[in-house]
Amino acid sequence: DAGVTQSPTHLIKTRGQQVTLRCSPKSGHDTVSWYQQALGQGPQFIFQYYEEEERQRGNFPDRFSGHQFPNYSSELNVNALLLGDSALYLCASSSGLAGIPSYNEQFFGPGTRLTVL
Amino acid sequence: GDSVTQMEGPVTLSEEAFLTINCTYTATGYPSLFWYVQYPGEGLQLLLKATKADDKGSNKGFEATYRKETTSFHLEKGSVQVSDSAVYFCALSDLGNTGNQFYFGTGTSLTVIP
Repeated sequence: DAGVTQSPTHLIKTRGQQVTLRCSPKSGHDTVSWYQQALGQGPQFIFQYYEEEERQRGNFPDRFSGHQFPNYSSELNVNALLLGDSALYLCASSSGLAGIPSYNEQFFGPGTRLTVL
Repeated sequence: GDSVTQMEGPVTLSEEAFLTINCTYTATGYPSLFWYVQYPGEGLQLLLKATKADDKGSNKGFEATYRKETTSFHLEKGSVQVSDSAVYFCALSDLGNTGNQFYFGTGTSLTVIP
């Protein structure tokens, strides 16, 4: 059973550029969440997708956008990159049965390390 | 809003020592509580969880009890090993809100020396 996969592993961009990160959820999961983890910090919630729609959003600017495809995979897009966008971007998948506590668990991918120069 | 506060590190212990990492939370609803572990260069792995008050989560010798009266979820292990060296994150998810958003603490780095 493949877990959550993310691509690419590492990425280097320059300020002002745009980037797309990709995520495939764990088999059987239909919900994808994206997090930004700055160095030495805990993950910060960016947004979550369910049924191809953004269901909830954290405190991130509109430069951060996403998409979910019919196969439940997801993309995170960041426009007009800033130096401060350098971080590890984590994707997590979960079951849409989030209303049931026993299903309330997120599985994380290994992350994409984005460096903005 | 919801938040998690955990003990700052780094923490350095000798092998077989007792470990406690403190975690307290603030939530408006009835959250589930989690401990995740992150090994160098890897993503987060779920270590244990508790979904209601007085539940005890346990895994690989680690334990944490959901204490609603003190809004705490402290992580403990009786005898740490070198392989436990990692960063530990306390987190909560409040099912009272839509979307199952997770809130994480800042992480506590643990180094176990032989």
